[in-house]
Amino acid sequence: EVVMTQSPVIMSVSPGERATLSCRASQSVSNALAWYQQRPGQAPRLLVYGASTRASGIPARFSGSGSGTEFTLTISSLQSEDFAVYYCQQYNNKSPITFGQGTRLEIK
Amino acid sequence: DVELVESGGGLVQPGGSLRLSCAASGFTFSGYFMDWVRQAPGKGLEWVARVRNKDNRYTTEYAASVRDRFTVSRDDSTTSVYLQMNSLKTEDAAMYYCVRDSSIGWYYDYWGQGTLVTVSS
Repeated sequence: EVVMTQSPVIMSVSPGERATLSCRASQSVSNALAWYQQRPGQAPRLLVYGASTRASGIPARFSGSGSGTEFTLTISSLQSEDFAVYYCQQYNNKSPITFGQGTRLEIK
Repeated sequence: DVELVESGGGLVQPGGSLRLSCAASGFTFSGYFMDWVRQAPGKGLEWVARVRNKDNRYTTEYAASVRDRFTVSRDDSTTSVYLQMNSLKTEDAAMYYCVRDSSIGWYYDYWGQGTLVTVSS
């Protein structure tokens, strides 16, 4: 099983600033990496797949990068609605797919 | 619009059973793989089970933690997915989400709002 490790666990950032979230895989997953956003009380929402392709309707301030074992989600200018929990998920080693433990993005 | 609506959650005693349902609409259901993902209170996401489509003979896969206790199935005629949960344990308590596989890779492009399962005596 591929273990996904996200850092930091909690990040405090001011609105308008940039946030950079990290996700590391225990073995290479190529570019088979997705990011999700989960707001309080809501289901997760797909943000990025293929490590860097934004999902439909996702604002351009969200960008993903990386390949192999190191991945990054960058939010260029934080809006109030962006304060949420973010999860990465690998889907290269197909069984089972695995999620990171999440990064909580808080208002500073 | 794609919609996934779960139902069937509730309170059950350890060792009991529960059947979750997911009603899908707004897309060609028969063409997609469908999964269940769960989230224990205050915790992260955990994949639970998958059912493939007819072209893939409706084959299924399960997380090790639920194998031999849970059964996933689908009914293309009613565009529904089911999760039969037997021998429930306290650690199965979670929000259960019905999710659609993207068909490009094993990630999820649509999520239901979830149904809450509580396992307690």
